[in-house]
Amino acid sequence: AQKITQTQPGMFVQEKEAVTLDCTYDTSDPSYGLFWYKQPSSGEMIFLIYQGSYDQQNATEGRYSLNFQKARKSANLVISASQLGDSAMYFCAMRGLTDKLIFGTGTRLQVFP
Amino acid sequence: EAQVTQNPRYLITVTGKKLTVTCSQNMNHEYMSWYRQDPGLGLRQIYYSMNVEVTDKGDVPEGYKVSRKEKRNFPLILESPSPNQTSLYFCASWGGGALDEQFFGPGTRLTVL
Repeated sequence: AQKITQTQPGMFVQEKEAVTLDCTYDTSDPSYGLFWYKQPSSGEMIFLIYQGSYDQQNATEGRYSLNFQKARKSANLVISASQLGDSAMYFCAMRGLTDKLIFGTGTRLQVFP
Repeated sequence: EAQVTQNPRYLITVTGKKLTVTCSQNMNHEYMSWYRQDPGLGLRQIYYSMNVEVTDKGDVPEGYKVSRKEKRNFPLILESPSPNQTSLYFCASWGGGALDEQFFGPGTRLTVL
């Protein structure tokens, strides 16, 4: 069975510092995609970044990067130079060969001045 | 603008009163899905659809119905809502494939009294 685990219910980071949000996954599919979404207090789901299982390089999108360690089955999100607007809930998700996007339980990030 | 729309955004109703939450996408996506989000549980899939007239159960389908008569629309029907269906609901669409980004609607916050 496929599973996503986010072990950090909450994280705090000071503005301008970097922060890593952890995500581990479990799947037996040979090909899969890993995704991160941001959910601010307004509730909408905002796509941040994705990584394909066969991608050799870690994905990056602006201040977001995905630290993909396939052997460890981890796909941690790194946010560099945190901003107050980064305060939100962050979800890691995975889709394998089925049509289902599986979500973790999320990590609430608080950025303080 | 590429988007997924949901209506209503907020709904308060009473136990047993049938309701429908509409979902529409303008990206010609084959796949559409409904999720519910509850604190501490992340997003869980209710139903999904691979194309017109093709739907399948997700992880938590009990108490819900869906239909896909047109490619762009995927309404969620609660025939007899109960308080345990109070939740935040998201509709999503994507083109298919493990690496395709999933586009989310803005969410519908449902309260069943």
